[in-house]
Amino acid sequence: EAGVAQSPRYKIIEKRQSVAFWCNPISGHATLYWYQQILGQGPKLLIQFQNNGVVDDSQLPKDRFSAERLKGVDSTLKIQPAKLEDSAVYLCASSLIIGQGGTDTQYFGPGTRLTVL
Amino acid sequence: AQSVTQLGSHVSVSEGALVLLRCNYSSSVPPYLFWYVQYPNQGLQLLLKYTTGATLVKGINGFEAEFKKSETSFHLTKPSAHMSDAAEYFCAVMRTSYDKVIFGPGTSLSVIP
Repeated sequence: EAGVAQSPRYKIIEKRQSVAFWCNPISGHATLYWYQQILGQGPKLLIQFQNNGVVDDSQLPKDRFSAERLKGVDSTLKIQPAKLEDSAVYLCASSLIIGQGGTDTQYFGPGTRLTVL
Repeated sequence: AQSVTQLGSHVSVSEGALVLLRCNYSSSVPPYLFWYVQYPNQGLQLLLKYTTGATLVKGINGFEAEFKKSETSFHLTKPSAHMSDAAEYFCAVMRTSYDKVIFGPGTSLSVIP
């Protein structure tokens, strides 16, 4: 079974530039998550999709971050314009479906390491 | 609000020694609890989870954790450390099955030959 795919793996940009990350979840997984992991910290949820609908985006800085999930499968996360503090690893995860008593496992991709100069 | 505390940002153990990684949580209701491992340049992998039932949970790679409600703890242990256990370990909590997962800051485990 193929895992969660993410691209690119690394990205270096200058502040005020734009950047986009792509995620392909495990086939059949209805729920998709984007996390931000700043160096030395645990991952923080940015946005959660159920199929192509947003379940939780309470921690997404909507003035500069946006995300979409096309046809309930692939997803893109965009930052425009980037700030220095956006330097982090952006992790995508997927699971079968939410609300399964906490038994639903999230599977993580390898992440995209973003450096903003 | 939920939170997770992991005592010790870095732990070193000798190969073959006991591994003990500490996790305490705050939650208004009995939560769901998780331990994840992250190897360098990789995503997180679930080690084990507690949902309901038996408070001693066994996971992959010989790890186990015990949910102690009275202590609000969910410490991770392994009887004998192996070099391949060197990684970052994250404790996480979920208040209900519909809530987001809250991760702790992580503990970096080093294994000394």
